[in-house]
Amino acid sequence: AQTVTQSQPEMSVQEAETVTLSCTYDTSESDYYLFWYKQPPSRQMILVIRQEAYKQQNATENRFSVNFQKAAKSFSLKISDSQLGDAAMYFCAYRSARNYGGSQGNLIFGKGTKLSVKP
Amino acid sequence: DTGVSQDPRHKITKRGQNVTFRCDPISEHNRLYWYRQTLGQGPEFLTYFQNEAQLEKSRLLSDRFSAERPKGSFSTLEIQRTEQGDSAMYLCASSSYGNTEAFFGQGTRLTVV
Repeated sequence: AQTVTQSQPEMSVQEAETVTLSCTYDTSESDYYLFWYKQPPSRQMILVIRQEAYKQQNATENRFSVNFQKAAKSFSLKISDSQLGDAAMYFCAYRSARNYGGSQGNLIFGKGTKLSVKP
Repeated sequence: DTGVSQDPRHKITKRGQNVTFRCDPISEHNRLYWYRQTLGQGPEFLTYFQNEAQLEKSRLLSDRFSAERPKGSFSTLEIQRTEQGDSAMYLCASSSYGNTEAFFGQGTRLTVV
């Protein structure tokens, strides 16, 4: 079974600074997807960034980028130029690339990292 | 707004009562998922529909839980004989076949007293 581990329950960053959130995962599959989701307080979860395992190039979305190390099964999120609106819970998630049988697209989440941004 | 909507947003019920939650996915999405999120934890998968067919159920989904998706549109999640351990946020998400991104609703927060 696949597992996702986020070892930092809480992180704090100064506004305009850079912060890195860690995530490791375990799987025996070779083809899968990894995601970072953001969950602001009392608001819905939204996708921040996505990485396909077959792609060697790290995904980037504006101020958000990932460091994907497939051999090490590591998938960290870097937030540059942090803004007050970045304060939220961040969840790392795994999804199998299989489209047959079970586990068709359901996400396996870590426990999350609560990010605070100091003005 | 054409996102995923869930109703109600909050529900307080007495132990032993039955509750039902509704999820309306994004209209063109044929995949629908239910997750449960307890305090301090990430969401945990409960069940999955492709169109009207329920294709997978987690072991977390005890026989007190039942989910339906008639006609492949909205979905309902019913919990019978609620217990205090059922207190959680219930999240619904939808996606289209071939698209890896799942869109989440705001969730239904259930409190069992």
